[in-house]
Amino acid sequence: GEDVEQSLFLSVREGDSSVINCTYTDSSSTYLYWYKQEPGAGLQLLTYIFSNMDMKQDQRLTVLLNKKDKHLSLRIADTQTGDSAIYFCAEPAGDMRFGAGTRLTVKP
Amino acid sequence: EADIYQTPRYLVIGTGKKITLECSQTMGHDKMYWYQQDPGMELHLIHYSYGVNSTEKGDLSSESTVSRIRTEHFPLTLESARPSHTSQYLCASREQGSGTGELFFGEGSRLTVL
Repeated sequence: GEDVEQSLFLSVREGDSSVINCTYTDSSSTYLYWYKQEPGAGLQLLTYIFSNMDMKQDQRLTVLLNKKDKHLSLRIADTQTGDSAIYFCAEPAGDMRFGAGTRLTVKP
Repeated sequence: EADIYQTPRYLVIGTGKKITLECSQTMGHDKMYWYQQDPGMELHLIHYSYGVNSTEKGDLSSESTVSRIRTEHFPLTLESARPSHTSQYLCASREQGSGTGELFFGEGSRLTVL
């Protein structure tokens, strides 16, 4: 299909790991992105991965890319209440194609 | 930090009023975008521009119009606002061609039409 797909909601306890999954559409995408949107704000680029990489780690964030299945995931280790936000997966198809967003809720 | 600014952040107006949402960026980006964001979170592209005097409609039909007279400025106008226009409007920009191609977003303008 033509949609970037991701699950809409994820709830975890503080200190647990969070994993947000995404299926993208364009196998020729050079970069794939994760954006974060905090309440009442615009989106901010959280991290990205170049298409020739399988994994990228940046402090508590790990991005995994499976090009064969067009699957992208974002793992947040030791999730904190400040990580509560909406996370968007995006690919540069057209200008930028976004998933519907995953609302992450972190419970104390 | 992104140098892209939207005003007003919040606006409550009555039906039939004309409104303009302002968006300015100081990064010299040629490409600029307007997204409408549902209460359910999904982003819909409503307008974009690849440079001065270039404007195009996005994937979601919108009664709003845009203009791009200067590189740094991309205002969105609703001639006659209706309750169905109540939404969050996000402006974004990016470099043409080089780099990672990331979008830089403003903080958004939340419009409520009574």
